Amino acid sequence: GAVVSQHPSWVICKSGTSVKIECRSLDFQATTMFWYRQFPKQSLMLMATSNEGSKATYEQGVEKDKFLINHASLTLSTLTVTSAHPEDSSFYICSASAAGMSYNEQFFGPGTRLTVL
Amino acid sequence: GNSVTQMEGPVTLSEEAFLTINCTYTATGYPSLFWYVQYPGEGLQLLLKATKADDKGSNKGFEATYRKETTSFHLEKGSVQVSDSAVYFCALSYGGGSEKLVFGKGTKLTVNP
Repeated sequence: GAVVSQHPSWVICKSGTSVKIECRSLDFQATTMFWYRQFPKQSLMLMATSNEGSKATYEQGVEKDKFLINHASLTLSTLTVTSAHPEDSSFYICSASAAGMSYNEQFFGPGTRLTVL
Repeated sequence: GNSVTQMEGPVTLSEEAFLTINCTYTATGYPSLFWYVQYPGEGLQLLLKATKADDKGSNKGFEATYRKETTSFHLEKGSVQVSDSAVYFCALSYGGGSEKLVFGKGTKLTVNP
């Protein structure tokens, strides 16, 4: 149980275009979802926390207008990288927390590799 | 601020060898400590956790003890298997109502038969 999927698993796009990444909880209702970014040989860095039906809370230094997060249902959150540039190339990982669990009981998706040309 | 430092990898061992992956942390207050494992092509999975000083987390033959005096949470396993090959992440959550996770950089372990 507690499976989280991400789609796509990898994407290549041209500079200036926007890319949407989906994160789904397959067998539970996720009241909170987290988006992380991971650079090569670096740790996962939390970008934002989103609660279903409300605006996401972004970490310091993360541009909310560039990384649009929507958590419209209890099983789906999306991250849209707007006007992507090569420096946005990274590995994006989502996690989900179920109602009734503490925040630190997070279930992670397999990640999405974004390459911006 | 809150941070986690874990030993650089990669680590390569033979089957049945003893494993230690070092992890130290910096945090205000009393964080909870975690080890996550990421198998190839899969998401991170919680391996074990400890929520207070001197607690020992254990799972699948792995164990780690929360050492407040040395601010450490080293991961150990007495006899590794090929199936343990994965990337291991040490992490902390800094409670106090904010239970976000702060991760180390990860250590890649390869176990050869």
